[in-house]
Amino acid sequence: QQQVKQSPQSLIVQKGGISIINCAYENTAFDYFPWYQQFPGKGPALLIAIRPDVSEKKEGRFTISFNKSAKQFSLHIMDSQPGDSATYFCAASMIYNQGGKLIFGQGTELSVKP
Amino acid sequence: NAGVTQTPKFRVLKTGQSMTLLCAQDMNHEYMYWYRQDPGMGLRLIHYSVGEGTTAKGEVPDGYNVSRLKKQNFLLGLESAAPSQTSVYFCASSYDRRYEQYFGPGTRLTVT
Repeated sequence: QQQVKQSPQSLIVQKGGISIINCAYENTAFDYFPWYQQFPGKGPALLIAIRPDVSEKKEGRFTISFNKSAKQFSLHIMDSQPGDSATYFCAASMIYNQGGKLIFGQGTELSVKP
Repeated sequence: NAGVTQTPKFRVLKTGQSMTLLCAQDMNHEYMYWYRQDPGMGLRLIHYSVGEGTTAKGEVPDGYNVSRLKKQNFLLGLESAAPSQTSVYFCASSYDRRYEQYFGPGTRLTVT
């Protein structure tokens, strides 16, 4: 019940296209859903995050869509660029419980072709 | 302002050897975390600390010990390394549980 399932495992998108990565969770107590971006040889860095009281959050070309009833959330990257090529991780946590521990999805390796 | 630093960057151990990984942060963060990253499994929490002198178990704590004697440092120890502990280890810190976690650059550990 603590798992976060992420798909696809890898994704190839043409420059200018839309990249979509999906995540699903079981534990309805999760109340914070961040997405992390990781470049090769680097640590993950927070990209964008959402709380379950909103259905969508947009920051530049990055949008999180959240469906509380389906227990799913997704990352959309509009106008994908080669510089977006990285591994993306969704995560979930219970902020006011358990020390803010993050449960990560398995990761999606995104490659944006020029 | 270096953020989160990890020492060493790479290490090769033989089965049964011990070692300590050091994480340091200069952001005055209360919370610190140790994760391991394995292909196809994302990042899994090993241990974490909510303040100086405190530690708690995460998802995969077996075979590891931690200490937080100083607020800025979080040490991860392997007492008797096993090949299953071959992984990339990341340390992270945050000001509070409600805030972003900042990750270090990682330590690549190979146990032969």
